[in-house]
Amino acid sequence: AQSVTQLGSHVSVSEGALVLLRCNYSSSVPPYLFWYVQYPNQGLQLLLKYTSAATLVKGINGFEAEFKKSETSFHLTKPSAHMSDAAEYFCAVSQTGANNLFFGTGTRLTVIP
Amino acid sequence: DTAVSQTPKYLVTQMGNDKSIKCEQNLGHDTMYWYKQDSKKFLKIMFSYNNKELIINETVPNRFSPKSPDKAHLNLHINSLELGDSAVYFCASSQELSNSPLHFGNGTRLTVT
Repeated sequence: AQSVTQLGSHVSVSEGALVLLRCNYSSSVPPYLFWYVQYPNQGLQLLLKYTSAATLVKGINGFEAEFKKSETSFHLTKPSAHMSDAAEYFCAVSQTGANNLFFGTGTRLTVIP
Repeated sequence: DTAVSQTPKYLVTQMGNDKSIKCEQNLGHDTMYWYKQDSKKFLKIMFSYNNKELIINETVPNRFSPKSPDKAHLNLHINSLELGDSAVYFCASSQELSNSPLHFGNGTRLTVT
């Protein structure tokens, strides 16, 4: 069985501050892990993905995530928040492929000027 | 050039009606999907389909049916619409590889009155 938990449905940060969005997964085998971003009235876009090549994964728009097997976590970070980062962020886990992808409940990021 | 396009963007209809949402992808992907996003932003897969098989989420009512005229299209037909069907429906596609990410359309906001 696989699942993903995103801690905090809403995170607020000041512009220029560190962004940390938390994701913990449950998987019986080494998983594939993804972060997606959803801007208002749009579909989801891939930010980054973990496929076991490297534990620290760099994505688009300055985001990165670190896979920590011992903590079953895949937290998303960005050193300095920008106003344009305000969006909904989804963590997702898969064991066998995209047709078996489980999404977390999402975290809404608000950036305060 | 939109990679995954779906129409219409907004759909308002009355209970009991039958409606369709169209989806097309020009990425050459093998597999297409329909997701439902509820008012709390929770994403649930409804169907995944490639030229080999249709996988149906068993929780989806049989009033919902996917139709694929060819590899690049996966339309969603909904019969006897109910109030609870109101949601945003996303089409997506991917390669048939275990770590391939999903590419999403911009969604169709369905409102049933």
